[in-house]
Amino acid sequence: DAKTTQPPSMDCAEGRAANLPCNHSTISGNEYVYWYRQIHSQGPQYIIHGLKNNETNEMASLIITEDRKSSTLILPHATLRDTAVYYCIVTPGAGSYQLTFGKGTKLSVIP
Amino acid sequence: DAGVIQSPRHEVTEMGQEVTLRCKPISGHDYLFWYRQTMMRGLELLIYFNNNVPIDDSGMPEDRFSAKMPNASFSTLKIQPSEPRDSAVYFCASRGTSYEQYFGPGTRLTVT
Repeated sequence: DAKTTQPPSMDCAEGRAANLPCNHSTISGNEYVYWYRQIHSQGPQYIIHGLKNNETNEMASLIITEDRKSSTLILPHATLRDTAVYYCIVTPGAGSYQLTFGKGTKLSVIP
Repeated sequence: DAGVIQSPRHEVTEMGQEVTLRCKPISGHDYLFWYRQTMMRGLELLIYFNNNVPIDDSGMPEDRFSAKMPNASFSTLKIQPSEPRDSAVYFCASRGTSYEQYFGPGTRLTVT
């Protein structure tokens, strides 16, 4: 059973905010939401993670709904280099020992 | 910091041959992970180590696959004998005290 559901693809205009949704309606109380991305032919790259509070770092913001059943990754000013597959992962504990990657969302940033 | 180093970057071999993939984790990291990525199955965790000890190898597909970590700075993933269905990109990742896993550039394996 997939723990997360993401749209297979999205487009975003360069310079605009990219909002990537993720549904995780069966998330448990001790499970964290992680986001990774994979730029073509490279290894995945960590973006951000959170439990229930919204989080922000230099790359992105993570908005988690109050019931924790869904979240949104926000790239505030998308560039062409942000074109990648974005993975939303739910994993128990903060340790992220075992990441189960789904199919992710292919984000295309359009000039 | 050089990041996670994997070698070779590309490997082409014939069915039945032994293949050894190598990984050097980031210095100071105590967790090491091996993943495999294919179009059909996506990115799968094969095995991970903590302090050089294998913790979970439930993702290793079959006995033809084996992984070792003789010391904190080196790990190998061996396939013997190799089969065409083993063709994939194999990633190594390491993790320290922070929450993120750092992935290497991958080894693209082609078995003909």
